[in-house]
Amino acid sequence: EDQVTQSPEALRLQEGESSSLNCSYTVSGLRGLFWYRQDPGKGPEFLFTLYSAGEEKEKERLKATLTKKESFLHITAPKPEDSATYLCAVQPLKTSYDKVIFGPGTSLSVIP
Amino acid sequence: DVKVTQSSRYLVKRTGEKVFLECVQDMDHENMFWYRQDPGLGLRLIYFSYDVKMKEKGDIPEGYSVSREKKERFSLILESASTNQTSMYLCASSLRATNEKLFFGSGTQLSVL
Repeated sequence: EDQVTQSPEALRLQEGESSSLNCSYTVSGLRGLFWYRQDPGKGPEFLFTLYSAGEEKEKERLKATLTKKESFLHITAPKPEDSATYLCAVQPLKTSYDKVIFGPGTSLSVIP
Repeated sequence: DVKVTQSSRYLVKRTGEKVFLECVQDMDHENMFWYRQDPGLGLRLIYFSYDVKMKEKGDIPEGYSVSREKKERFSLILESASTNQTSMYLCASSLRATNEKLFFGSGTQLSVL
């Protein structure tokens, strides 16, 4: 069964304290892996798409990496405005439509 | 920028009521989706549409139906609302191609009493 898990469930960082969020996936072939950011009371907002193991993407203080079994979202010197829930999603190869499977998310709090 | 608009931010309904959730997108996207989001469970796909009048069941379609009469509009219908349908409902759209990112609306928090 296709599955996506994320850890930790919640993470509390001091401003400037770098860390990583993990997304582990089990799919029968991967078309793509997505990271989204969700602020309270809003819908998720797209951050990155990764397609193959070894790929990396960066945006400001965020860097996403991909292996055959997991993806990491590295946050360097975070600021309070980085506080949000970060969602990982995968699109399996074998799907009858443009389906993505979402993980439960990691809630990040950055304390000034 | 793509805009996905959901008609209501908050809704409170009674058990047994028929509920309509409306979603409109303004970027001519072929695909439209309805998800529900519950704490600890992530986003779960209810229904998907890849064209006008076309629909596909997602992972949890029971108790829901959908309508897509126009390309820009996708409606979610709860025929007879139940308390276990209390949730955040998110509409999304995308271009019809693999690995296309989803654009989400702000969500409708539905409470069924």
